[in-house]
Amino acid sequence: NAGVMQNPRHLVRRRGQEARLRCSPMKGHSHVYWYRQLPEEGLKFMVYLQKENIIDESGMPKERFSAEFPKEGPSILRIQQVVRGDSAAYFCASSPYSGTGYGYTFGSGTRLTVV
Amino acid sequence: DQQVKQNSPSLSVQEGRISILNCDYTNSMFDYFLWYKKYPAEGPTFLISISSIKDKNEDGRFTVFLNKSAKHLSLHIVPSQPGDSAVYFCAAYFGNEKLTFGTGTRLTIIP
Repeated sequence: NAGVMQNPRHLVRRRGQEARLRCSPMKGHSHVYWYRQLPEEGLKFMVYLQKENIIDESGMPKERFSAEFPKEGPSILRIQQVVRGDSAAYFCASSPYSGTGYGYTFGSGTRLTVV
Repeated sequence: DQQVKQNSPSLSVQEGRISILNCDYTNSMFDYFLWYKKYPAEGPTFLISISSIKDKNEDGRFTVFLNKSAKHLSLHIVPSQPGDSAVYFCAAYFGNEKLTFGTGTRLTIIP
């Protein structure tokens, strides 16, 4: 049973380009969470999704960032017109049910570098 | 507004001794606390948790203590082993799904 798969592991984008980060949850997990870790900081919540629904996007920057979790396929975190400040590690976690943080399984992350 | 704080960015402990990692929080609404361990280039992995109705939870070498009046929790690892060298994050949540993380403490176990 594969864990949470994130790809790519490393992504380099020039300022102004788009970044697409993918997350395939564990089999049977229908809850997906995205977190961002800036250098020397803890992980910060971005968005919580269930299949085809955004449940909580209170941590998402108001512009340029969007997320989806379609009925089929991985969850996608999309960053348009990237800027240097978007450089960070982006972690996805999945859970089979809601309400318990210890049910989370994290992926290995995507490290985005904006040059 | 840093609701979960880990004031020690790093800690070095001799192998075999006790490691104590500390965490303070400001939001009295938190009702569940967790510790995660993270190796470089990997995602965090769940280590141990504690509900706000308890003051201690133990799992093998790992024990978490919660002092609600002081809004403080700590993770004790005894005995410390080289494989324990990692970054440890304290996290908390209430009601909804969002985990609020601290900034982490890098633990180094000295052989």
